Formats: sequence, C-alpha cells, structure tokens
Amino acid sequence: GAGVSQSPRYKVAKRGQDVALRCDPISGHVSLFWYQQALGQGPEFLTYFQNEAQLDKSGLPSDRFFAERPEGSVSTLKIQRTQQEDSAVYLCASSLETGNYGYTFGSGTRLTVV
Amino acid sequence: RKEVEQDPGPFNVPEGATVAFNCTYSNSASQSFFWYRQDCRKEPKLLMSVYSSGNEDGRFTAQLNRASQYISLLIRDSKLSDSATYLCVVNRGGGSNYKLTFGKGTLLTVNP
Repeated sequence: GAGVSQSPRYKVAKRGQDVALRCDPISGHVSLFWYQQALGQGPEFLTYFQNEAQLDKSGLPSDRFFAERPEGSVSTLKIQRTQQEDSAVYLCASSLETGNYGYTFGSGTRLTVV
Repeated sequence: RKEVEQDPGPFNVPEGATVAFNCTYSNSASQSFFWYRQDCRKEPKLLMSVYSSGNEDGRFTAQLNRASQYISLLIRDSKLSDSATYLCVVNRGGGSNYKLTFGKGTLLTVNP
C-alpha cells in the first residue's frame, strides 16, 4: 500500500479485556516498529522487527504485551488483560533500512481502557 | 535526566514571526537526528533530518552541535499551517541505532 495502515483507528476496551491491534507496513519494508504515545508525551519505543524476527522487545511495558509478525509483513500487537494505564495511541512505523533514516508512521490506534 | 529534552512551550507567535526550538540529548553515541512534526490527533511525520553542517529546507533551518549535544530548529516567516507539535528525535546509536528516542514535543500555535 501507499502508507502504513493501522486498524482499528479507535478501540475502547473494558478493563481486563484482551485487544489486538493490527499494522500493515509499506510493501517491501523490512523493519517494523511499535511505539506507544501517552497523552502529552512523545512516542516511546515498544518493539522492533526485522522481517519476521523480533530483534528487540525491551520497550514492552509488561508481559501482558505481545507482538508478532509471523510472515514478515503484517504485525499484530496484543495486549492481554488491559489496564487503564494502557490507554494511549499505539503507533506502528516501517522502514526499508534502519539507522540514518526517519520512519513512516501509521495513523495509530487510540486505545481507551474504561 | 531524560534522553531528549525540549523547550516545554507552548509557543504562540503571530504570522510572519521567526521562532526557534531547542533540544538537548544525553546519549553521546547518538548518530542520527531528526525533527518530526505532529498535528493534533495525527501521526508524527518527518520534517527534516539534522546534519552537523546544518541544513535548510525552505523556511526551516536545523542545526546540530555534537560537542554540546544540542539541536535546534528555526522557522522563518511562520504560517498558520505551521501550527503543530514539533518533536526532537534522536537515534540511540551503536547496536540500537534502529531505536528512535523522542522528546516530549513543543507545541507551536501561529496566530493570524
């Protein structure tokens, strides 16, 4: 596709519910990233994939957070037993290469846990 | 100390004004530097990369001082459409050069 596509655009979850957020990166982009942006803050790194390999998951806040990219294309970020502090915008980005390049972000999924 | 610190803002300026944003970073191993722009309830978009020699893109000028670990963005002749949050972004360098670290952002409002 022309850009990074994320769905759903908005998600309201009851506390304790599991959610799954989808990211469809730009075709051919090897690198995929998930970031979390809380209100009034800059995005914070969650995890990084190179093709299907998850090379860094150091930013995932707890073991309730899980990300996968089984075929090296679409990625899913899953949050189990959601808590109110999980409310944030979850941004996905993709890139052909890493390091010296800025990344293209999707529009994000705004998660509200009530 | 946060890895990337920016002017807290907000900045309110009239159309046509010149405005400057400042940013400092703490990781001396950082290799790449960027300014992103984020409109309200939208995703961050790359505005420009920042190079040691300084670089300019139309009304926007970015500067990097590696010795002081300081980055700046200057906007000349500001337009209403420049109203947004400006994010200073640094990559970690070394083995984590894929990891971008964002500042909190500085909100700019350009008034008619």
